Amino acid sequence: SQTIHQWPATLVQPVGSPLSLECTVEGTSNPNLYWYRQAAGRGLQLLFYSVGIGQISSEVPQNLSASRPQDRQFILSSKKLLLSDSGFYLCAWRGGEKLFFGSGTQLSVL
Amino acid sequence: GQQVMQIPQYQHVQEGEDFTTYCNSSTTLSNIQWYKQRPGGHPVFLIQLVKSGEVKKQKRLTFQFGEAKKNSSLHITATQTTDVGTYFCASWAIKAAGNKLTFGGGTRVLVKP
Repeated sequence: SQTIHQWPATLVQPVGSPLSLECTVEGTSNPNLYWYRQAAGRGLQLLFYSVGIGQISSEVPQNLSASRPQDRQFILSSKKLLLSDSGFYLCAWRGGEKLFFGSGTQLSVL
Repeated sequence: GQQVMQIPQYQHVQEGEDFTTYCNSSTTLSNIQWYKQRPGGHPVFLIQLVKSGEVKKQKRLTFQFGEAKKNSSLHITATQTTDVGTYFCASWAIKAAGNKLTFGGGTRVLVKP
């Protein structure tokens, strides 16, 4: 069966520090992968999605970037974090018409 | 781009009562999905509707897709404490617009015992 792993679960980072969040999917090949961000008590904002290795579509210009170095690996990065980057980051893969989400990373930038 | 708006943003419900949350779009949607996110958790798929006027039920939850495919509703009867969470509607963009799922802002449901 398919599983999605996302880590870390929580992260506290100082302003100006770099960021790397990793997401991996098992049990499926060439999945469409997604990064969403959720501000506290708010909706889900699509940040990036990828339909294959090296293919990244950016939805919102911002201080973040994404990469897909391997078929089942999706990485969210930043060179210098801002206070406004705080939030709950969710990775997801598309299975048919559904999205399956990882357990998320709660990022606090201080 | 495609946007879906949800109302209300918050819903305080007495246990045992019914409530409805709504999802609206200014454009015709090819489909509508609903997800539930428990506090501290991640969104979980509930259902998808694709046909005009479609109605689907899951126990105490009734989902409806409007005749014009521009709105949808989720009705919960006899609310229980297990219904606490945020309910999101979402819709896949048409193929030409990319392979992406756009979410509404969600309705956060709080149940008073």
